[in-house]
Amino acid sequence: DTGVSQDPRHKITKRGQNVTFRCDPISEHNRLYWYRQTLGQGPEFLTYFQNEAQLEKSRLLSDRFSAERPKGSFSTLEIQRTEQGDSAMYLCASSSPGTTNYGYTFGSGTRLTVV
Amino acid sequence: AQSVTQLDSQVPVFEEAPVELRCNYSSSVSVYLFWYVQYPNQGLQLLLKYLSGSTLVESINGFEAEFNKSQTSFHLRKPSVHISDTAEYFCAVTGSSGSARQLTFGSGTQLTVLP
Repeated sequence: DTGVSQDPRHKITKRGQNVTFRCDPISEHNRLYWYRQTLGQGPEFLTYFQNEAQLEKSRLLSDRFSAERPKGSFSTLEIQRTEQGDSAMYLCASSSPGTTNYGYTFGSGTRLTVV
Repeated sequence: AQSVTQLDSQVPVFEEAPVELRCNYSSSVSVYLFWYVQYPNQGLQLLLKYLSGSTLVESINGFEAEFNKSQTSFHLRKPSVHISDTAEYFCAVTGSSGSARQLTFGSGTQLTVLP
C-alpha cells in the first residue's frame, strides 16, 4: 500500500491552456473522489467514481472540467481553457466500501497556478 | 445535505498548553465525523474519526474529539500541544447512509503553537 499518488505535484499554465492531472488510488479502494481546495478554504467536492462509473458531480464542475476513470483504477481530471479562477489545489481521495473501518485517504494534491 | 462550521480560523497557543478547536455541523441525517490535519503544501491526513459507538475518539498523537449529538458538535482537544502540532485542521462530515458519501469540510482552523 503506497497510498494515493497524484501527478504532477505542481503545474503552472497560461490562461486558456488545457491541463490534465492524474490520480492513482489505493489499489483495493473502489471509490475515488476529486476535491478542489482554494487558499484559506476547506476542500470542496467535485466528483465521485465507484469503479469506472462517475456517479456524482458537483455544480462546481463546469463544462470545462471532465474526469475519467477508464478501468476503475487511476483517474484523470482535465480542465479545458483554464481561467485564473481555476488556480487551486486539486486533491484526490480514495476510500474502501466497508463501514467498520470507514475512511478516506488523500493524496498530496496537485497545485495548479494559472497565469 | 450537510454543512460544517469551524468557529475559529486561527488559534495561537503556547507550547505545552491545552487547546480546543471547535467544530459544529448541520445535517438532517445521521453522520460520520472526521478531523484531518494538513501541513503546508501537503494533502490531508486523517487525525481521527467518529463512526459509531463511543462518543469519545482518540488519535495516536494525543488528540481527542467528542461527538455531541444534542449540540451537533465534534470539538477537537489536546491537553498539551507541541511545536510540531502547528498545522491547519479541518473538520469534515458525511452522511452515514447512501452510496456516495463525499465529505463536506469546514473552512479550517490554523493552529499555531508558540515556543
